[in-house]
Amino acid sequence: DFVMTQSPDSLAVSLGERATINCKSSQTVLYGSNNKNYLAWYQQKPGQPPKLLIYWASTRESGVPDRFSGSGSRTDFTLTISSLQAEDVAVYYCQQYYIAPFTFGPGTKVEIK
Amino acid sequence: QVQLQESGPGLVKPSEILSLTCTVSGGSINSYYWNWIRQPPGKELEWIGYIYYTRSTDYNPSLKSRVTISLDTSKNQFSLRLTSVATTDTAMYFCARSKSPTGADSVFDSWGQGILVTVSS
Repeated sequence: DFVMTQSPDSLAVSLGERATINCKSSQTVLYGSNNKNYLAWYQQKPGQPPKLLIYWASTRESGVPDRFSGSGSRTDFTLTISSLQAEDVAVYYCQQYYIAPFTFGPGTKVEIK
Repeated sequence: QVQLQESGPGLVKPSEILSLTCTVSGGSINSYYWNWIRQPPGKELEWIGYIYYTRSTDYNPSLKSRVTISLDTSKNQFSLRLTSVATTDTAMYFCARSKSPTGADSVFDSWGQGILVTVSS
C-alpha cells in the first residue's frame, strides 16, 4: 500500500499569516501517461465530513478560496494557506488516488496562534 | 447538488454484522463510483471500498474478507456489510461519491455527514 505521511502533526499560525503543510508518499503518485499527480487535499472541521480542497495536486475544487494552493510532484507535496483565516481552523489530510487501496495521511491540525 | 445520508444502527455487538445504508438524493446512483470510508475516533481516514453502478466492486485488502458493498438502484441507495466486527471497527462511517463519473481513481467530492458505529457488548 501507499503510505502517506504528513508534517507537522500540528501548527499554530497567526491570523493573516501563511500556513504550510507537507505530505509525502511512499511511492510516486505521478502517472506518466497523463503527467498528473494523483494527490488530493481535504479539510475536516470538528463534527463534519472531510471537504475536498485540491485535486491533481494543485487544482482547486470549485468554491474553494484562492488562499488555498497545492504544489509538488511525484512523492512530495505541499498545501499552503496564504493568509490564515479563523474559519480555516481544521485538520487537513492528503490522499493518494493513484491506486487502490486509496490512502490518507494522518492529518495536520491547524490552529490560531 | 447530490446529497448523501448514512443510516443504520449505532451500536453493534462484537462478532456480529455491521450494516449501513447510504441514501443518495439530488442525483442518480446510475453512474459514478460510490464509496465507504471510515474514521476511528481521533484517527485517520481509511477507505473501505467502492461499488460502481455496474455493480463492480473493489475493497481494501485489509478488510476484504469481511466486507460487502451492494447497490439498490430502485431506492437510489448503496449499502455496507461488515462481518465479525470487533472493537477496532468502532468508527465514524462515511459514504462518499467519487468526483469522476467514470474513473475509480478519483477523489471524493460529496460526503455524507457520517454515522458513528460503536462495537461493544
